[in-house]
Amino acid sequence: GAVVSQHPSRVICKSGTSVKIECRSLDFQATTMFWYRQFPKQSLMLMATSNEGSKATYEQGVEKDKFLINHASLTLSTLTVTSAHPEDSSFYICSARGGSTQYFGPGTRLTVL
Amino acid sequence: QQQVKQSPQSLIVQKGGISIINCAYENTAFDYFPWYQQFPGKGPALLIAIRPDVSEKKEGRFTISFNKSAKQFSLHIMDSQPGDSATYFCAAKRGSNYQLIWGAGTKLIIKP
Repeated sequence: GAVVSQHPSRVICKSGTSVKIECRSLDFQATTMFWYRQFPKQSLMLMATSNEGSKATYEQGVEKDKFLINHASLTLSTLTVTSAHPEDSSFYICSARGGSTQYFGPGTRLTVL
Repeated sequence: QQQVKQSPQSLIVQKGGISIINCAYENTAFDYFPWYQQFPGKGPALLIAIRPDVSEKKEGRFTISFNKSAKQFSLHIMDSQPGDSATYFCAAKRGSNYQLIWGAGTKLIIKP
C-alpha cells in the first residue's frame, strides 16, 4: 500500500518551454502533497506544500509564478515548470501524506538544454 | 531551532557489521521522526519511524534508538548487507501541516 507514482520519470526540453510533472497517490487519498527539489549529493529541498482544493504554500525563495502547483483532487497534484531554463535542471520529487508519513514518488529528472 | 543535524556524512561498513547513523534536533515540538532510504535516481522510501514517547523501535534488521532528553536519535542497521548501500536521511515532522525537516544525509557503503 501507500504507492505514489510520478510521471514522467525523465524529461529533456529546450530552454523556454514549460514542463508538467504529475504526482498521483495510487491507493490512498492525500489531502496534502509536497514538492521537493534535490541537487546531486544533497538533501531534499522543500519547494511547496499543497492541500487539495486550495492554493499551494511556497517556501521562501521559490518563485510561485515559475513553479505552478495544482492539487485538483485527492489523488493528483501537478507541478508545472514554466519557461524552463538550464538552471531549473534538477531532480524533482513529490510526496503524498498518509497519516503522519510522507510517501514519495520515484522522482522526475528534468534536463533543460 | 528547526534544523536536524545528521552524522556522519559518509560511512563504510564491512558486510555483516553494524551501521550506525546519528541525528540531533533542537525543537522539542517535533513529534515524529522517520528514516528514509534513497537509492541513486530514486525517490526516498520510508524505512522506519518513531514517536518521542518510545525509546526504541525495531523492524527486522533496522532499529531506531531515541533519546528524548538528549534530543538525539539514531538508526542501527544490524548484519549490514551490500544491498543496504544507499543514502539514508533522518527527518523530523513539524507542525500540523506535516512538513518534514531533513537531515543532510549519510551515504552508506557496505563492503562485501
